[in-house]
Amino acid sequence: AQSVSQHNHHVILSEAASLELGCNYSYGGTVNLFWYVQYPGQHLQLLLKYFSGDPLVKGIKGFEAEFIKSKFSFNLRKPSVQWSDTAEYFCAVNEMFSGGYNKLIFGAGTRLAVHP
Amino acid sequence: NAGVTQTPKFQVLKTGQSMTLQCAQDMNHNSMYWYRQDPGMGLRLIYYSASEGTTDKGEVPNGYNVSRLNKREFSLRLESAAPSQTSVYFCASSPRTGNTGELFFGEGSRLTVL
Repeated sequence: AQSVSQHNHHVILSEAASLELGCNYSYGGTVNLFWYVQYPGQHLQLLLKYFSGDPLVKGIKGFEAEFIKSKFSFNLRKPSVQWSDTAEYFCAVNEMFSGGYNKLIFGAGTRLAVHP
Repeated sequence: NAGVTQTPKFQVLKTGQSMTLQCAQDMNHNSMYWYRQDPGMGLRLIYYSASEGTTDKGEVPNGYNVSRLNKREFSLRLESAAPSQTSVYFCASSPRTGNTGELFFGEGSRLTVL
C-alpha cells in the first residue's frame, strides 16, 4: 500500500527565509501528488497538485513543488516565507482503485511557524 | 456555494455514549470520505464511499460505522465512544468521473471523549 513520509515535523523560520519541506512516497507507479495547507482553526485547502507534465508545479501564494520521479519525492518550496504562512502542511498521494475512484494517503504533516 | 458542511463542529462525549457526525456536500460529487486527524499522525482514512450505495473501510475503521444516506450525505457514527476516539474529524468529497484525487474538505468536527 502507498505511504507518504514527511521528514520535518516542526519547522521554525524567520520572515523572508527560504522554505523547503520534504515529502517522499513509496509507490513507484503513476501517481498524483498534492500539498494541502491547514491554517490555524481552518480546514484543509489545496496548495498545489501534480498530475503530469512539467515536474515543477506552481501553486497559490508563491509556493512551488518539484516532482522527482527517481527519488519518489515531491518537495515543497517557497523562496521567502511570510508570517501568514504559519500553518500545517500535508503532502498526499492518491491511490487508484478499479472503477475509477481513488483515495488520498496523507503524510503526518509539517507544522511551520514563521516569526516576524 | 457551501461546499462540504459538517455538523456538529464541537462535541464532548462520555465514554460509552454514541453520536453521529453529519456531512453534506452540494457539489454533486460521487465520492465521500471520513478522515480523522491526530497530532503527529496526519490524516487517516476511516471510511469512504466511492459512490452512492457503497461504503468501504479505510485505515482505521474500528469503532465506527457509516451511512451513505444519498448522494449528498455521508454520516459517521460512534456507537460506544472511547477516549481513543478523541480527535478532529474531517469529511471530504471528490468527483468520480475524471477525478485525479483532489479532495474538498469540510471545516472539521472536534470530538472529545472523556
